[in-house]
Amino acid sequence: DGGITQSPKYLFRKEGQNVTLSCEQNLNHDAMYWYRQDPGQGLRLIYYSQIVNDFQKGDIAEGYSVSREKKESFPLTVTSAQKNPTAFYLCASEGTATIHTEAFFGQGTRLTVV
Amino acid sequence: KQEVTQIPAALSVPEGENLVLNCSFTDSAIYNLQWFRQDPGKGLTSLLLIQSSQREQTSGRLNASLDKSSGRSTLYIAASQPGDSATYLCAGIVYNNNDMRFGAGTRLTVKP
Repeated sequence: DGGITQSPKYLFRKEGQNVTLSCEQNLNHDAMYWYRQDPGQGLRLIYYSQIVNDFQKGDIAEGYSVSREKKESFPLTVTSAQKNPTAFYLCASEGTATIHTEAFFGQGTRLTVV
Repeated sequence: KQEVTQIPAALSVPEGENLVLNCSFTDSAIYNLQWFRQDPGKGLTSLLLIQSSQREQTSGRLNASLDKSSGRSTLYIAASQPGDSATYLCAGIVYNNNDMRFGAGTRLTVKP
């Protein structure tokens, strides 16, 4: 089946630790996105990528890093510089970022600081 | 940055009722509008996409309309069912922008 797969579903991070969230898509989409969702708030954009080896900061990029070495993969690293990382993280993709088509989302990763 | 507002924040209706969810934008320069459904602890499921050349889209019991001049979109759900209970989010895409602007969502509960 075509779709977007995020892993793990749940992730626990200790203080000062970096963790990486995985996002893989087999939809042959060019554009991929990472959003953060906090209770009672809309989704906020962390990073996006329009093509391989290119990515841009969103509204809340501080404390996060990404890479786009393959079209199918867009991993997000939450670094120790992110002071409030506990949230629900969602990855999305769509055909192209220049002409918006229907966007598809993964099932999310819930990150908790312990 | 444009703001996206969804009203009401929560809605509870009896089964079988027709209902309307609202989404409004401060920036009327949107050109696409997408409605999503989110179940607790899950990702977003795309419901309807209204592109710039369209005024509405229909899928089964769902109908979404877009009025760009007033910066408003509505999602109409006919003959609601308990399985429709979820949070519904709208996202506006502004021309030449590279992300979707989301509302905080409307949490719908349909009581049997």
